[in-house]
Amino acid sequence: GAVVSQHPSRVICKSGTSVKIECRSLDFQATTMFWYRQFPKQSLMLMATSNEGSKATYEQGVEKDKFLINHASLTLSTLTVTSAHPEDSSFYICSATSSSGANVLTFGAGSRLTVL
Amino acid sequence: GDSVTQMEGPVTLSEEAFLTINCTYTATGYPSLFWYVQYPGEGLQLLLKATKADDKGSNKGFEATYRKETTSFHLEKGSVQVSDSAVYFCALSEGFSVGNQFYFGTGTSLTVIP
Repeated sequence: GAVVSQHPSRVICKSGTSVKIECRSLDFQATTMFWYRQFPKQSLMLMATSNEGSKATYEQGVEKDKFLINHASLTLSTLTVTSAHPEDSSFYICSATSSSGANVLTFGAGSRLTVL
Repeated sequence: GDSVTQMEGPVTLSEEAFLTINCTYTATGYPSLFWYVQYPGEGLQLLLKATKADDKGSNKGFEATYRKETTSFHLEKGSVQVSDSAVYFCALSEGFSVGNQFYFGTGTSLTVIP
Protein backbone atom coordinates (compact mmCIF):
# COMPACT_ATOMS: atom_id res chain seq x y z
CA GLY A 1 0.00 0.00 0.00
CA ALA A 2 0.85 3.67 -0.11
CA VAL A 3 3.63 4.74 2.25
CA VAL A 4 4.52 8.22 3.43
CA SER A 5 7.91 8.71 5.05
CA GLN A 6 8.41 11.63 7.39
CA HIS A 7 11.79 12.74 8.69
CA PRO A 8 13.07 13.47 11.26
CA SER A 9 10.90 11.67 13.78
CA ARG A 10 12.28 13.74 16.63
CA VAL A 11 14.17 17.01 16.65
CA ILE A 12 15.34 19.25 19.45
CA CYS A 13 16.50 22.74 18.63
CA LYS A 14 17.35 26.00 20.30
CA SER A 15 14.98 28.92 20.27
CA GLY A 16 15.51 31.12 17.22
CA THR A 17 16.76 28.40 14.91
CA SER A 18 14.91 26.92 11.94
CA VAL A 19 13.92 23.31 11.51
CA LYS A 20 12.98 21.49 8.31
CA ILE A 21 10.69 18.46 8.26
CA GLU A 22 10.47 16.33 5.13
CA CYS A 23 7.52 14.32 3.92
CA ARG A 24 8.00 11.85 1.08
CA SER A 25 5.57 9.59 -0.72
CA LEU A 26 7.58 6.44 -1.35
CA ASP A 27 5.58 4.48 -3.89
CA PHE A 28 3.06 6.89 -5.31
CA GLN A 29 2.79 10.40 -6.65
CA ALA A 30 1.29 12.77 -4.14
CA THR A 31 -0.31 15.69 -5.91
CA THR A 32 -1.67 17.00 -2.62
CA MET A 33 -0.10 16.90 0.80
CA PHE A 34 -1.53 18.14 4.06
CA TRP A 35 0.34 19.30 7.13
CA TYR A 36 -1.23 18.90 10.55
CA ARG A 37 -0.21 19.92 14.01
CA GLN A 38 -1.34 17.71 16.86
CA PHE A 39 -1.93 19.32 20.20
CA PRO A 40 -2.09 17.68 23.60
CA LYS A 41 -5.26 15.65 24.07
CA GLN A 42 -5.01 14.44 20.50
CA SER A 43 -6.77 17.09 18.44
CA LEU A 44 -5.46 17.50 14.91
CA MET A 45 -5.24 20.94 13.42
CA LEU A 46 -4.90 21.28 9.67
CA MET A 47 -2.18 23.82 9.04
CA ALA A 48 -2.01 23.92 5.27
CA THR A 49 -2.74 22.14 2.03
CA SER A 50 0.13 21.86 -0.39
CA ASN A 51 -0.24 21.13 -4.09
CA GLU A 52 2.76 20.21 -6.20
CA GLY A 53 4.18 23.16 -8.06
CA SER A 54 2.02 25.81 -6.44
CA LYS A 55 1.88 27.82 -3.25
CA ALA A 56 0.44 26.18 -0.18
CA THR A 57 -2.98 27.17 1.09
CA TYR A 58 -2.81 28.01 4.76
CA GLU A 59 -5.63 27.67 7.24
CA GLN A 60 -6.80 30.72 9.09
CA GLY A 61 -4.55 31.61 11.97
CA VAL A 62 -1.47 29.77 10.65
CA GLU A 63 1.46 32.10 9.98
CA LYS A 64 2.70 31.34 6.49
CA ASP A 65 5.96 33.20 7.07
CA LYS A 66 6.68 31.09 10.09
CA PHE A 67 5.64 27.74 8.68
CA LEU A 68 7.12 27.59 5.21
CA ILE A 69 5.80 24.80 3.04
CA ASN A 70 7.37 23.71 -0.21
CA HIS A 71 6.02 21.01 -2.52
CA ALA A 72 8.56 21.04 -5.29
CA SER A 73 7.96 17.54 -6.62
CA LEU A 74 5.25 14.91 -6.70
CA THR A 75 6.99 12.94 -3.97
CA LEU A 76 8.33 15.56 -1.58
CA SER A 77 6.90 18.29 0.58
CA THR A 78 8.79 20.13 3.29
CA LEU A 79 7.70 22.14 6.30
CA THR A 80 10.21 24.60 7.70
CA VAL A 81 9.54 26.11 11.10
CA THR A 82 11.43 29.38 11.00
CA SER A 83 12.80 31.10 14.09
CA ALA A 84 11.29 28.43 16.28
CA HIS A 85 10.10 29.25 19.79
CA PRO A 86 9.08 26.97 22.66
CA GLU A 87 5.40 27.44 21.82
CA ASP A 88 6.10 25.82 18.44
CA SER A 89 6.95 22.58 20.22
CA SER A 90 4.45 20.06 19.00
CA PHE A 91 3.86 16.90 16.98
CA TYR A 92 3.71 17.67 13.26
CA ILE A 93 2.17 15.15 10.89
CA CYS A 94 2.05 15.15 7.11
CA SER A 95 -0.33 13.24 4.93
CA ALA A 96 -0.86 12.74 1.25
CA THR A 97 -3.41 11.70 -1.29
CA SER A 98 -2.29 10.04 -4.46
CA SER A 99 -2.85 11.19 -8.00
CA SER A 100 -4.85 8.03 -8.63
CA GLY A 101 -7.83 9.63 -6.93
CA ALA A 102 -8.41 6.93 -4.36
CA ASN A 103 -9.34 9.62 -1.83
CA VAL A 104 -7.56 7.96 1.04
CA LEU A 105 -5.23 9.93 3.25
CA THR A 106 -1.93 8.25 4.02
CA PHE A 107 -0.09 9.67 7.00
CA GLY A 108 3.54 9.98 7.86
CA ALA A 109 4.70 8.80 11.27
CA GLY A 110 4.96 12.33 12.58
CA SER A 111 7.78 14.57 13.81
CA ARG A 112 8.13 15.59 17.44
CA LEU A 113 9.62 19.06 17.64
CA THR A 114 10.96 20.34 20.94
CA VAL A 115 12.22 23.91 21.06
CA LEU A 116 14.36 24.73 24.08
CA GLY B 1 -19.77 23.42 6.92
CA ASP B 2 -18.60 19.86 7.26
CA SER B 3 -17.70 18.53 10.68
CA VAL B 4 -17.25 15.37 12.69
CA THR B 5 -18.21 14.82 16.31
CA GLN B 6 -17.00 11.80 18.21
CA MET B 7 -17.39 10.72 21.77
CA GLU B 8 -14.93 12.06 24.21
CA GLY B 9 -12.61 9.77 25.99
CA PRO B 10 -10.67 8.45 27.52
CA VAL B 11 -12.25 5.03 27.32
CA THR B 12 -10.90 2.22 29.49
CA LEU B 13 -12.04 -1.35 28.92
CA SER B 14 -11.04 -4.77 30.11
CA GLU B 15 -9.67 -7.23 27.58
CA GLU B 16 -12.44 -9.02 25.61
CA ALA B 17 -14.99 -6.30 26.35
CA PHE B 18 -17.23 -4.86 23.65
CA LEU B 19 -16.21 -1.51 22.21
CA THR B 20 -18.33 1.25 20.74
CA ILE B 21 -16.97 4.67 19.84
CA ASN B 22 -19.68 6.98 18.58
CA CYS B 23 -19.18 9.26 15.60
CA THR B 24 -21.68 11.57 13.94
CA TYR B 25 -21.10 13.92 11.06
CA THR B 26 -22.43 16.97 9.31
CA ALA B 27 -21.88 17.26 5.58
CA THR B 28 -23.35 19.18 2.69
CA GLY B 29 -23.00 16.39 0.15
CA TYR B 30 -22.28 12.67 0.15
CA PRO B 31 -19.07 12.15 2.05
CA SER B 32 -16.81 9.18 2.43
CA LEU B 33 -16.30 8.21 6.06
CA PHE B 34 -13.17 6.90 7.71
CA TRP B 35 -11.75 5.64 10.96
CA TYR B 36 -8.06 6.22 11.57
CA VAL B 37 -6.03 4.78 14.45
CA GLN B 38 -2.96 6.31 16.07
CA TYR B 39 -0.74 4.10 18.17
CA PRO B 40 1.50 5.76 20.77
CA GLY B 41 4.25 7.85 19.22
CA GLU B 42 3.14 7.14 15.67
CA GLY B 43 1.21 8.82 12.87
CA LEU B 44 -2.33 7.93 11.88
CA GLN B 45 -3.17 4.76 9.98
CA LEU B 46 -6.33 4.08 8.05
CA LEU B 47 -8.38 1.49 9.92
CA LEU B 48 -11.46 1.26 7.73
CA LYS B 49 -13.65 3.31 5.44
CA ALA B 50 -17.06 3.44 3.79
CA THR B 51 -17.90 5.44 0.72
CA LYS B 52 -21.70 5.34 0.54
CA ALA B 53 -24.77 4.85 2.69
CA ASP B 54 -25.24 1.39 4.24
CA ASP B 55 -21.68 0.39 3.40
CA LYS B 56 -19.88 -1.43 6.20
CA GLY B 57 -16.16 -0.95 6.60
CA SER B 58 -14.25 -3.63 8.49
CA ASN B 59 -10.67 -4.43 9.42
CA LYS B 60 -8.89 -6.25 12.25
CA GLY B 61 -12.21 -7.12 13.89
CA PHE B 62 -13.40 -3.50 13.86
CA GLU B 63 -16.57 -2.54 12.01
CA ALA B 64 -18.45 0.64 11.21
CA THR B 65 -21.62 1.11 9.14
CA TYR B 66 -22.37 4.28 7.20
CA ARG B 67 -25.83 5.35 8.42
CA LYS B 68 -27.15 8.24 6.38
CA GLU B 69 -30.45 8.44 8.25
CA THR B 70 -28.68 9.06 11.55
CA THR B 71 -25.54 10.65 10.03
CA SER B 72 -23.44 8.24 12.04
CA PHE B 73 -20.43 5.99 11.60
CA HIS B 74 -19.95 4.30 14.97
CA LEU B 75 -16.89 2.11 15.46
CA GLU B 76 -17.42 -1.29 17.09
CA LYS B 77 -15.39 -4.30 18.05
CA GLY B 78 -16.77 -7.36 19.75
CA SER B 79 -13.72 -8.27 21.83
CA VAL B 80 -10.92 -5.79 22.36
CA GLN B 81 -7.31 -6.69 23.03
CA VAL B 82 -4.55 -4.87 24.86
CA SER B 83 -2.95 -4.20 21.48
CA ASP B 84 -6.00 -2.13 20.48
CA SER B 85 -4.98 0.57 22.94
CA ALA B 86 -4.63 3.67 20.78
CA VAL B 87 -6.36 6.88 19.79
CA TYR B 88 -9.15 6.54 17.24
CA PHE B 89 -10.17 9.33 14.87
CA CYS B 90 -13.35 9.52 12.86
CA ALA B 91 -13.06 11.51 9.63
CA LEU B 92 -14.98 12.48 6.53
CA SER B 93 -14.13 13.68 3.07
CA GLU B 94 -16.53 14.97 0.46
CA GLY B 95 -16.45 13.44 -3.00
CA PHE B 96 -13.71 11.54 -4.75
CA SER B 97 -11.48 14.23 -6.15
CA VAL B 98 -7.84 14.21 -5.26
CA GLY B 99 -7.03 16.83 -2.68
CA ASN B 100 -10.42 16.96 -1.00
CA GLN B 101 -10.03 18.18 2.54
CA PHE B 102 -10.54 15.72 5.36
CA TYR B 103 -12.37 16.69 8.52
CA PHE B 104 -11.37 14.90 11.71
CA GLY B 105 -13.02 14.40 15.04
CA THR B 106 -11.06 15.20 18.16
CA GLY B 107 -10.00 11.61 18.72
CA THR B 108 -10.96 9.07 21.38
CA SER B 109 -8.27 7.49 23.49
CA LEU B 110 -8.82 3.79 24.24
CA THR B 111 -6.93 1.87 26.89
CA VAL B 112 -7.48 -1.86 27.19
CA ILE B 113 -6.35 -3.44 30.43
CA PRO B 114 -5.54 -7.15 30.83
